[in-house]
Amino acid sequence: QITLKESGPTLVEPTQTLTLTCTLSGFSISTSGVAVAWIRQPPGKALEWLALIHWKGEERYSPSLQSRLTITKDSSKNQVVLTMTKMDPVDTATYYCAHRRGHHADYFDFWGQGTLVTVSS
Amino acid sequence: DIVMTQSPESLAVSLGERATINCKSSQSVFYSSNSENCIAWYQQKPGQPPKLLIYRASARESGVPDRFSGGGSGTDFTLTISSLQAEDVALYYCQQYLSTPLTFGGGTKVDIK
Repeated sequence: QITLKESGPTLVEPTQTLTLTCTLSGFSISTSGVAVAWIRQPPGKALEWLALIHWKGEERYSPSLQSRLTITKDSSKNQVVLTMTKMDPVDTATYYCAHRRGHHADYFDFWGQGTLVTVSS
Repeated sequence: DIVMTQSPESLAVSLGERATINCKSSQSVFYSSNSENCIAWYQQKPGQPPKLLIYRASARESGVPDRFSGGGSGTDFTLTISSLQAEDVALYYCQQYLSTPLTFGGGTKVDIK
């Protein structure tokens, strides 16, 4: 049974760096074809894809945020980590990690419950 | 970037009636290598993460009721709920996965009239 669970701070001050961890269960980030993404949703707004990492370590980023984002994986802990620098109040959102269906299938069949991150001083 | 435009932003339908949501991509999302339209649809209820309903524009995810169907090709797609049930009240999003950046539509809120 595939599950994903996000963890990290609920409150971040402007200009700080956010680090979020996605802990995976029921599958391994090291298995061929596996990929995990981060997607966010500001309150009352639409979904926005941020980044994705493949089992090989290949990374993809949203061009509009690429300079601020880093996605990594820790195979020993079966986790995917997202860091976002220079946080701003507009980055207030629920951040989700999600499991990609498979090769050439960059849609998401399992999602974490999400973690609400508020950016405020 | 491929821009996804959904319409309407919201709609209210009587129980048992049909609800249709439109999604238009700014360029074709047809992947010729496997003859697939790279569109997925999600349902999101308040306080919950999105749930995958449809992929490849028209393939229903396992466990999704057959009143949900997807259609369209190229740049124009639809999600249809053939007979709206109370539990279908939710936000619905389309997503293209032909290319990165992966992009979502703005969402459509479905309510009971």
